[in-house]
Amino acid sequence: NAGVMQNPRHLVRRRGQEARLRCSPMKGHSHVYWYRQLPEEGLKFMVYLQKENIIDESGMPKERFSAEFPKEGPSILRIQQVVRGDSAAYFCASSPLLIQGANNEQFFGPGTRLTVL
Amino acid sequence: QKEVEQNSGPLSVPEGAIASLNCTYSDRGSQSFFWYRQYSGKSPELIMSIYSNGDKEDGRFTAQLNKASQYVSLLIRDSQPSDSATYLCAVMDSGAGSYQLTFGKGTKLSVIP
Repeated sequence: NAGVMQNPRHLVRRRGQEARLRCSPMKGHSHVYWYRQLPEEGLKFMVYLQKENIIDESGMPKERFSAEFPKEGPSILRIQQVVRGDSAAYFCASSPLLIQGANNEQFFGPGTRLTVL
Repeated sequence: QKEVEQNSGPLSVPEGAIASLNCTYSDRGSQSFFWYRQYSGKSPELIMSIYSNGDKEDGRFTAQLNKASQYVSLLIRDSQPSDSATYLCAVMDSGAGSYQLTFGKGTKLSVIP
């Protein structure tokens, strides 16, 4: 399966714990995006990364959230000291080399459903 | 604040009919437009992308773009019960070097057998 992979698919944490969500892009894709979907709300952009670089983090909450995409291994979205409001579906998407003016399609992984007790 | 607006629905159509889904966007700098299908509890699946004004057809799906009116639509011909899902309109402005997608809240489509 050459699609975007995310794990875990379901994650349960108690308030104050840390959550780590992992994303491996499609083969040949070097651009990773994280989106969050709160219950009954639309998908919201969080962060855009390339290998070893954060390109756009304008959608990330200022505190407790961080993301990385190391040279080796998957992209990680980290949420420290989780609160109940962090309960949501977190989706990762990837795209190939981006060309100005092209369609730049993004393909989504299956998501991680985070539940904070 | 970039906005993408969709009717939330539900939109109900009989099997075999044409389903018409509409979307408007606020940012004139938007360059690429996408339709995703999302089944309940699943992830978004790319259906169509469109970049130029006019129509783009792929099988039973036709995307239509009118940049002057800031309007994009998706037509689904010969609708099937399996098309019942939420359809998300997404818009990308790549001019600033970031390729983030701004999504509408989605239109829920129900195809009645």
